[in-house]
Amino acid sequence: DIVLTQTPLSSPVTLGQPASLSCRSSQSLVYSDGNTYLSWLQQRPGQPPRLLIYKVSNRFSGVPDRFSGSGAGTDFTLKISRVEAEDVGVYYCMQSTQFPFSFGGGTKVEIK
Amino acid sequence: EVQLVESGGGLVQPGGSLRLSCAVSGLTFSDQYMDWVRQAPGKGLEWVGRIRDRAHSHSTEYAASVKGRFTISRDDSRNSLFLQMNDLKTEDTAVYYCVRVLGNGKIDAFDIWGQGKMVIVSS
Repeated sequence: DIVLTQTPLSSPVTLGQPASLSCRSSQSLVYSDGNTYLSWLQQRPGQPPRLLIYKVSNRFSGVPDRFSGSGAGTDFTLKISRVEAEDVGVYYCMQSTQFPFSFGGGTKVEIK
Repeated sequence: EVQLVESGGGLVQPGGSLRLSCAVSGLTFSDQYMDWVRQAPGKGLEWVGRIRDRAHSHSTEYAASVKGRFTISRDDSRNSLFLQMNDLKTEDTAVYYCVRVLGNGKIDAFDIWGQGKMVIVSS
């Protein structure tokens, strides 16, 4: 099974400053079709998760452009260019390259 | 507007059974892959399983932790998804979300989530 490890566990950020969240996979997430099925989700307190990024770097509809995803193979990054108060929550990476699908343990973004 | 509305959660004793339903509206349900994801209290997300569309024979996949105990099914005529949970264990206590799979196997991201339903397994 594929294990996703997210770092840091917690990321205290000053409003308006950038944040960088890491997700490392125990094996390559490149599927046989050449695509990499790595997505990022945000979960605000008391809410269901919300899709931000799919297939590494594709921003989902309605997601602000301050969110960007990058990476390849086993190492992936979610960047928030300028953190806003509404960005507080837990961010999960998820792989859907191979069954069973798996999520990272999450990174909590909070305001300093 | 697309909506996923779960129902059927509650308190059940270890070894018992429970069936969750997810009513789907605002999209062509029969064309969709659908998944279940759960979240234990204060913990992260755990994928539970998938059911594919009719074109793929409603085939299913399961996490090892639930395989043989949980069954995912669907009724396309009622736009409904189901999760039958048998032989429940205390570690199955969680909020259960039904989820729409964006682009089925071609994008394979979870873009629409229900509000979730709490299942508590306790004596």
